[in-house]
Amino acid sequence: DQQVKQNSPSLSVQEGRISILNCDYTNSMFDYFLWYKKYPAEGPTFLISISSIKDKNEDGRFTVFLNKSAKHLSLHIVPSQPGDSAVYFCAASAKYGNKLVFGAGTILRVKS
Amino acid sequence: EAGVVQSPRYKIIEKKQPVAFWCNPISGHNTLYWYLQNLGQGPELLIRYENEEAVDDSQLPKDRFSAERLKGVDSTLKIQPAELGDSAVYLCASSSRALGTQYFGPGTRLLVL
Repeated sequence: DQQVKQNSPSLSVQEGRISILNCDYTNSMFDYFLWYKKYPAEGPTFLISISSIKDKNEDGRFTVFLNKSAKHLSLHIVPSQPGDSAVYFCAASAKYGNKLVFGAGTILRVKS
Repeated sequence: EAGVVQSPRYKIIEKKQPVAFWCNPISGHNTLYWYLQNLGQGPELLIRYENEEAVDDSQLPKDRFSAERLKGVDSTLKIQPAELGDSAVYLCASSSRALGTQYFGPGTRLLVL
């Protein structure tokens, strides 16, 4: 039972344009959501998070949007840069600091 | 501030052999997690520690896997005996009670032949 789904295995975007990565979840108990970025041979690196009391959180070029009614969140990267090319994981937890449930990841390629 | 440290980074063993992974969390982080990541998938939790106590080990295959976190700092994850299907990346993460955000180490890539 996949509680967190990232339906796009890969995404290719031109440098300078917007990258939009999507994530859907099924467990209504999830109240904290995170995005991690992973380069090859490295561990996931925390990128940005959002709690269920908000619908938007912004940090520089990265913005996460949460639509609780649709059980959907998205990560926007504007403008995209070649260094953003990595695997992006969406993760959720039912309690702050509790175990994370991850999606399968989306490979982002930013072309220069 | 040093991040989560894991060793070894890579390990190749033959099936039925034992193997152990070590993790040193970020200083001051009292919560430690071990995750398993198979190729093409996201990490899955194996065990979570609050200080020395394992508070969630429901996903740990206890017939062959064991873990310990003595003194509430470093942790070791052991597999004995290893099977072919254990080939994966083993990730350690830590978080502080106040922040909650989990920070990951680089992982140990295990190959069982």
